[in-house]
Amino acid sequence: DVKVTQSSRYLVKRTGEKVFLECVQDMDHENMFWYRQDPGLGLRLIYFSYDVKMKEKGDIPEGYSVSREKKERFSLILESASTNQTSMYLCASSWDTYYGYTFGSGTRLTVV
Amino acid sequence: KQEVTQIPAALSVPEGENLVLNCSFTDSAIYNLQWFRQDPGKGLTSLLLIQSSQREQTSGRLNASLDKSSGRSTLYIAASQPGDSATYLCAVRLYNNNDMRFGAGTRLTVKP
Repeated sequence: DVKVTQSSRYLVKRTGEKVFLECVQDMDHENMFWYRQDPGLGLRLIYFSYDVKMKEKGDIPEGYSVSREKKERFSLILESASTNQTSMYLCASSWDTYYGYTFGSGTRLTVV
Repeated sequence: KQEVTQIPAALSVPEGENLVLNCSFTDSAIYNLQWFRQDPGKGLTSLLLIQSSQREQTSGRLNASLDKSSGRSTLYIAASQPGDSATYLCAVRLYNNNDMRFGAGTRLTVKP
């Protein structure tokens, strides 16, 4: 089975800190995605990547950046964390459009 | 813009009942539709993936149907169990930009 691993289940960070959320997949998937999930707003796409060093903005990229230096790893970066970035962050990966998504277990980030 | 709607938002049933969860989408230009399960505080677990050319998929007590022309999918759960209690989300994979759009989910409670 494909495994998508998010490095932390829970994180607490201070306002203004630079935060790195890591996601690693083990099945050579081309596509990787970062979503945030908030009550009442559902899942919203932050960034996605089709290949190494490729990235595309999703619906809510403001305040975030990403890095994909290796195919298996897709990092989400909060340049200067703010309290409105407190959320559940979900990473997903897939092969091409024929295939479905596989999600990681999520990272609950709290910014205080 | 693709809109995905899930009705009802919440559902409570006694154990043993058969039930149907509904998903509708506004744009039929999709590659596929995927149903997920999410337990509280956890990531999404894939249940069924239906390609746009398919009508249904089955896995155990779960059956998902797709009517692309009318923009509808249903997830049928037979002989529900308390362990089925979770939030169920549907998502469609879009032609134009390769990401998925999610519904807000149906929160299912199965009472013993």
